[in-house]
Amino acid sequence: EAQLEESGGGMVQPGGSLRLSCRASGFTFSNSAMSWVRQAPGKGPEWVSSISGIFTHTYYADSVNGRFTISRDNSQNTLHLQINNLRAEDTAMYYCANQPRFTSGYYDFESWGQGTLVTVSS
Amino acid sequence: DIQMTQSPSFVSASVGDRVTITCRASQDVGNWLAWYQQKPGKAPKLLIYATSSLQSGVPSRFSGSGYGTDFTLTISSLQSEDFATYYCQQANSFPLTFGGGTKVEI
Repeated sequence: EAQLEESGGGMVQPGGSLRLSCRASGFTFSNSAMSWVRQAPGKGPEWVSSISGIFTHTYYADSVNGRFTISRDNSQNTLHLQINNLRAEDTAMYYCANQPRFTSGYYDFESWGQGTLVTVSS
Repeated sequence: DIQMTQSPSFVSASVGDRVTITCRASQDVGNWLAWYQQKPGKAPKLLIYATSSLQSGVPSRFSGSGYGTDFTLTISSLQSEDFATYYCQQANSFPLTFGGGTKVEI
């Protein structure tokens, strides 16, 4: 069973940076596409970014493109999200999720972590 | 971007009721549609993928149907643990998008 554990969230001032991490276990991490999905308080989920498994192609939502960078370390079974130039509207719970059907062109999110909270406030 | 519209936003129901939630996509997504359940303070949980495929461990009272732009999630006999918020997601193309959610409450 896939297990995902996020870390790295916290409170940061506007314009600041954070690096989120997601430690994975219970599945072959290097073969699986991974994503970050965020959820602002009281709102629905919002896809942020995805990275494919083998060729590490990356995809971003327009709202974060140029400020967020997704990466992975397959030797450590870890996914990262570098978030720069944070804005108040980036305040959310950030979840990592795996996408086992990605290579079939099917981009659902199978397993999710418990999330890490990012709060942007002065 | 593909917009996903769910209806209704709220459902008031009782244990044993049959509940149906609708999701409409702004353009054809084929059968690339997933449904999630979310309880307060928890991460979303995948219920159904590819419109009608039940995720492992999900009770058979949950079912999905549809194709193209119109989809349905049905709970055949609502149980107490099913009171939650449900989201659809188009899994067809980037940017990946979710519906606004349907809260099922007593």
